[in-house]
Amino acid sequence: DVHLVESGGGVVESGGSLRLSCVVSGFKFEDSAMHWVRQAPGKGLEWVALINWDGGNTYYADSVKGRFTVSRDNRRNALFLQLNRLTPDDAALYYCIKGHGDNGYGRFDFWGQGTLVTVSS
Amino acid sequence: SYVLTQPPSVSVAPGQAARITCGADNIGGKSVHWFQQRPGQAPRLVVSEDSDWPSDIAERFSGSNSDNTATLTITRVEAGDEADYYCQVWDTDTDHWVFGGGTKLTVL
Repeated sequence: DVHLVESGGGVVESGGSLRLSCVVSGFKFEDSAMHWVRQAPGKGLEWVALINWDGGNTYYADSVKGRFTVSRDNRRNALFLQLNRLTPDDAALYYCIKGHGDNGYGRFDFWGQGTLVTVSS
Repeated sequence: SYVLTQPPSVSVAPGQAARITCGADNIGGKSVHWFQQRPGQAPRLVVSEDSDWPSDIAERFSGSNSDNTATLTITRVEAGDEADYYCQVWDTDTDHWVFGGGTKLTVL
């Protein structure tokens, strides 16, 4: 079975930083692109970032570009999202997602349960 | 930026068919994916235009896509289908994934 477990969320002050992690199992991690998607309380889904199989290509939503950095460690089956210069608008449940294929253009196959980021002003 | 427009809500009686639309300029030329999010749960993929999607989702869920509208159809709606539904596409102009605003399906 495929499992994705996010961690690292918490309460941070506006302007602060946080590093989210996602550890996966049940599939060949190095063959899959990965994504982060967030959902503010009571709101819809917002794609945040994607990283291809080897980390050589990354893409970001305009709302986070220059502040967030996605990375991965294929030896540890782990995905990361570094969040810097956080604002209250970044408060959300952050989901880690396995993409179909290695380039990031395929469907979103499996989702984790999310880790909650709260930003205090 | 590419915008996907969904109705905020759709209501349907049990046993009837529900149709949720996703409108955008020339969306018929893109692959559209649909997600279901039940209250308190993570989203899950229910319909994909990828031909090799080995879905274990009920065959009551299907998608169509043409011109400027994609549609998710749920036949013989059940109480357990009550959820938020989101459409999604890859925008090749911006290299961004885009979600629709979501539609809340209510089973009467």
